[in-house]
Amino acid sequence: TQLLEQSPQFLSIQEGENLTVYCNSSSVFSSLQWYRQEPGEGPVLLVTVVTGGEVKKLKRLTFQFGDARKDSSLHITAAQPGDTGLYLCAAIPGNFNKFYFGSGTKLNVKP
Amino acid sequence: EAQVTQNPRYLITVTGKKLTVTCSQNMNHEYMSWYRQDPGLGLRQIYYSMNVEVTDKGDVPEGYKVSRKEKRNFPLILESPSPNQTSLYFCASKSPTYEQYFGPGTRLTVT
Repeated sequence: TQLLEQSPQFLSIQEGENLTVYCNSSSVFSSLQWYRQEPGEGPVLLVTVVTGGEVKKLKRLTFQFGDARKDSSLHITAAQPGDTGLYLCAAIPGNFNKFYFGSGTKLNVKP
Repeated sequence: EAQVTQNPRYLITVTGKKLTVTCSQNMNHEYMSWYRQDPGLGLRQIYYSMNVEVTDKGDVPEGYKVSRKEKRNFPLILESPSPNQTSLYFCASKSPTYEQYFGPGTRLTVT
């Protein structure tokens, strides 16, 4: 059983569309991170959110941490082909030693 | 350039033949970790190390060993590999502000 559930698993959209990816858990976490992974490479950290209700923006990407620190969302505005990749959320429990990853959302943005 | 390096990038071996995957980081990070990535399961933590000579189990440590004799190196050892250890392996190091930097990955096939 996955500690973190990501949805959707796959997403194929046209350039210019908006999308939201979700990361949910029944557990409370100290902080949560989002990564993007491209084929043949390791994940690259996009953002860390630590406060319940926190919203962070990275250009066209908006990240939100749920008020109860159990869930998070990633919203992409006007998606571009360069956004194509596997998006992973990772939760960090209270001891800050372990990382729990979701299974990922594979995004394909068609030109 | 700040980076995490892994070797080899690709490895095909047979059941029972001991192997070591090396990992090195040049960022002077105290924390390092190993993950395996399997389709539909995301990344799962194998072992992590808080500092030299300090290692601890992640979620899937069975069949693996690690050592941390120097801060920059964190090798992953498979004493007797089995086919269920066929996977994509990533090494990572973490900064004091919880940013993880991943290596490029090692694709291991055990026949």
